Amino acid sequence: DTGVSQDPRHKITKRGQNVTFRCDPISEHNRLYWYRQTLGQGPEFLTYFQNEAQLEKSRLLSDRFSAERPKGSFSTLEIQRTEQGDSAMYLCASSYSRANNEQFFGPGTRLTVL
Amino acid sequence: GQNIDQPTEMTATEGAIVQINCTYQTSGFNGLFWYQQHAGEAPTFLSYNVLDGLEEKGRFSSFLSRSKGYSYLLLKELQMKDSASYLCAVSGTYKYIFGTGTRLKVLA
Repeated sequence: DTGVSQDPRHKITKRGQNVTFRCDPISEHNRLYWYRQTLGQGPEFLTYFQNEAQLEKSRLLSDRFSAERPKGSFSTLEIQRTEQGDSAMYLCASSYSRANNEQFFGPGTRLTVL
Repeated sequence: GQNIDQPTEMTATEGAIVQINCTYQTSGFNGLFWYQQHAGEAPTFLSYNVLDGLEEKGRFSSFLSRSKGYSYLLLKELQMKDSASYLCAVSGTYKYIFGTGTRLKVLA
């Protein structure tokens, strides 16, 4: 296993368009997290899955954001009607519940909304 | 509310020791993590504390006091490659709360 992967690595879109990002976690990891990070800030929690169940979603997340993990493996994060304020790095992380819950991060998807 | 505080920037000299402090107030606590993040890269795990005391791992050590809501990361024998942001994060029931990170500059 080569670690957590994310696709695409970079996305430039126009305001009002929808975008979808994919995350493939480490194969035996049952927990998956999405974060958003802007320059000079730490990662901001967006949502958490244990297997296919979405157990927590940040109240900061507007209805324009949705995430899925249909078979408990890969996950997608969709942003509808993008706004310039959505420009950020979107990080995915995975962990295994029986370990110390150390999270392994993917390389991130950098979104630029014009 | 939930809050994590750490200094914004620190500077130290190659070969020296530096201590990065973190204080936290969170509604749940399942452990405290330190991550290293180089510019433009994803965070990588450094250490984990769930009980009070010191955890040592090579040049890096991390300390936790749950009663004081306080942790520190100690870096010894600093190297130029240690120049990075250091993120303190608290694990709650499901989610993690990250601090804004401490940007460490190591000078020759």
